Amino acid sequence: GAGVSQSPSNKVTEKGKDVELRCDPISGHTALYWYRQSLGQGLEFLIYFQGNSAPDKSGLPSDRFSAERTGGSVSTLTIQRTQQEDSAVYLCASSVGADRTDTQYFGPGTRLTVL
Amino acid sequence: DQQVKQNSPSLSVQEGRISILNCDYTNSMFDYFLWYKKYPAEGPTFLISISSIKDKNEDGRFTVFLNKSAKHLSLHIVPSQPGDSAVYFCAASADFNKFYFGSGTKLNVKP
Repeated sequence: GAGVSQSPSNKVTEKGKDVELRCDPISGHTALYWYRQSLGQGLEFLIYFQGNSAPDKSGLPSDRFSAERTGGSVSTLTIQRTQQEDSAVYLCASSVGADRTDTQYFGPGTRLTVL
Repeated sequence: DQQVKQNSPSLSVQEGRISILNCDYTNSMFDYFLWYKKYPAEGPTFLISISSIKDKNEDGRFTVFLNKSAKHLSLHIVPSQPGDSAVYFCAASADFNKFYFGSGTKLNVKP
C-alpha cells in the first residue's frame, strides 16, 4: 500500500514569507508526528497528533509554527514569517496507534530553504 | 541540550566484518530505545528496538545492546553488507509520544 507522502519535496522561500507543508499519513493510522532535521543534527520532535485528542505541541520552537490535522488524516505544518534558521528537512511520520512501540513510518521529507 | 548523542559521524567497515554503532544518552528516564536506518532522499525506516527491561535484542544480522548503568546503546551488524551503507539514527523515549534522536552515524560498508 501507499506509504507516507509529503509535499512539496522542496520549498525555497524568502525570509518573512509563510509556508505550508503537507503530510498524507498511511490510511488508517491514527498517530501522526512532525519532526525537523537541521543540518548536522538529529531529528527534533515538533508535534504529535493522536486521533481526536488535543495534540502535543511541546516541541514547536516558537509561536510562528503551527500544525493542524483535518479529519484525522492529512496534516499541514505552517511556518509564519520564516527565518533562515527554519531551513531544515521537515519529516512527517505516522503509526497505527497510540502505543509508542507502534512503528513510525516516515515520509521522504520536505526540504525547506529560507533565503 | 542534546539528550541523545552519536559521537561518531561516520564509520567505514569492510564487507563481512562487524559494524558497531554507538549511542549515549543522558536522561535516566529513557526506557525505550530504537534504531532507524536512512537512505538518501528517503525518510528513516525502523530497524530494531529495545526496552529497558532487557539488555539485548536480536533480529537477524542486527543486535542492539543496552547498558543502562553507562547510559549507552550500541547496534551490531554482523556480517555487514554493502546494502547496509546508510545513516543510522538512535532514538530514545521516556514519554509515550516524544522521541529524542541522535545526529546519526553514516556507515559505509566497502565491498
